[in-house]
Amino acid sequence: GIQVEQSPPDLILQEGANSTLRCNFSDSVNNLQWFHQNPWGQLINLFYIPSGTKQNGRLSATTVATERYSLLYISSSQTTDSGVYFCAVTYNQGGKLIFGQGTELSVKP
Amino acid sequence: DTGVSQDPRHKITKRGQNVTFRCDPISEHNRLYWYRQTLGQGPEFLTYFQNEAQLEKSRLLSDRFSAERPKGSFSTLEIQRTEQGDSAMYLCASSLGRTSGYNEQFFGPGTRLTVL
Repeated sequence: GIQVEQSPPDLILQEGANSTLRCNFSDSVNNLQWFHQNPWGQLINLFYIPSGTKQNGRLSATTVATERYSLLYISSSQTTDSGVYFCAVTYNQGGKLIFGQGTELSVKP
Repeated sequence: DTGVSQDPRHKITKRGQNVTFRCDPISEHNRLYWYRQTLGQGPEFLTYFQNEAQLEKSRLLSDRFSAERPKGSFSTLEIQRTEQGDSAMYLCASSLGRTSGYNEQFFGPGTRLTVL
């Protein structure tokens, strides 16, 4: 089946720093989503981005489907950005999501 | 629109007992998914419904697990004869699956199951 790999697995930043999270996938995908999982376990939708570039405030994402990767950019990080970031893809009509292992981000004040 | 809701939020049970979880999707969403997440891992797909039809089940879904979505609205996930290995967060998601391919999924807060 399709493999989804995220890097880095862990990231520690000082408040105000910028970061880039990467998601590689092993085969063609229909859709790609980025999520932020908060400390209570809730998955929060960040981007639905099968291709192209989107921006939402301090966050932006780019997916290059032909090269099978996606990037999530966080600028001017804040302590509330801490948590686990997941990339997930779908590859068939049913739309089940295949998740990566996540990047755990810790932003220090 | 109140989002996807799940009940209960936490469940502690003894090994061998049966448990049932409920998921209420976003209204008008025709697709409903169940996932399971263990500590330190990403969520893993269990099963999904389009309206009331269960269209796909993962091999992770053993015979002790059963899911239903009567009338294509809320869904229930039942685990019979629970085992300690069933301890996990059970997540429900819904989407408005369109023929165009758009299928953004939105997740509920999850039910955390602890089997003693």
